[in-house]
Amino acid sequence: DAGVTQSPTHLIKTRGQQVTLRCSPKSGHDTVSWYQQALGQGPQFIFQYYEEEERQRGNFPDRFSGHQFPNYSSELNVNALLLGDSALYLCASSLEVEQYFGPGTRLTVT
Amino acid sequence: LAKTTQPISMDSYEGQEVNITCSHNNIATNDYITWYQQFPSQGPRFIIQGYKTKVTNEVASLFIPADRKSSTLSLPRVSLSDTAVYYCLVGDGGGFQKLVFGTGTRLLVSP
Repeated sequence: DAGVTQSPTHLIKTRGQQVTLRCSPKSGHDTVSWYQQALGQGPQFIFQYYEEEERQRGNFPDRFSGHQFPNYSSELNVNALLLGDSALYLCASSLEVEQYFGPGTRLTVT
Repeated sequence: LAKTTQPISMDSYEGQEVNITCSHNNIATNDYITWYQQFPSQGPRFIIQGYKTKVTNEVASLFIPADRKSSTLSLPRVSLSDTAVYYCLVGDGGGFQKLVFGTGTRLLVSP
């Protein structure tokens, strides 16, 4: 079992650009959550997808959007990037109790 | 969601037992207590979850007093590889819950 995988590993973008991050959940998991982790801080919940619908959303602007595909994989899109969007973006999948996190995508906005 | 408070950092030596206490005064009746471990540049990893009294698994024990306003994560005989950030969270305990992380406790284990 490959666990949760994310791509790309690292990404550098310029202010104002758009970015798409991808996540493949652990086998059999149908729920995917996205978190943003700034340096030195704990992860902050962005949103969660279940059955291709956004189920819950944290306190993030509409520039952050997502999608879940029929195979349960998910994408996180961020438009009009700001310097403050530089962070580690984590994807987590779950089925019952545990949430399994991927290794994250390190996004740097210059 | 109940707020948690835990020490910012702790130091220990290899082979010692480490106890990290978390305060959650406003925990709700149906809330569980969950601990995650995170190494640098990696996603958090589930360690243990409990509701009351004591829970033990192969890596840690979780002690929860009767009033549930605090909990203690116990790591027996730590090694250098246990150096990480440890997060205490409270919530409904299900896989669908929105995890609310604080700043965690940075544990440094020295030789």
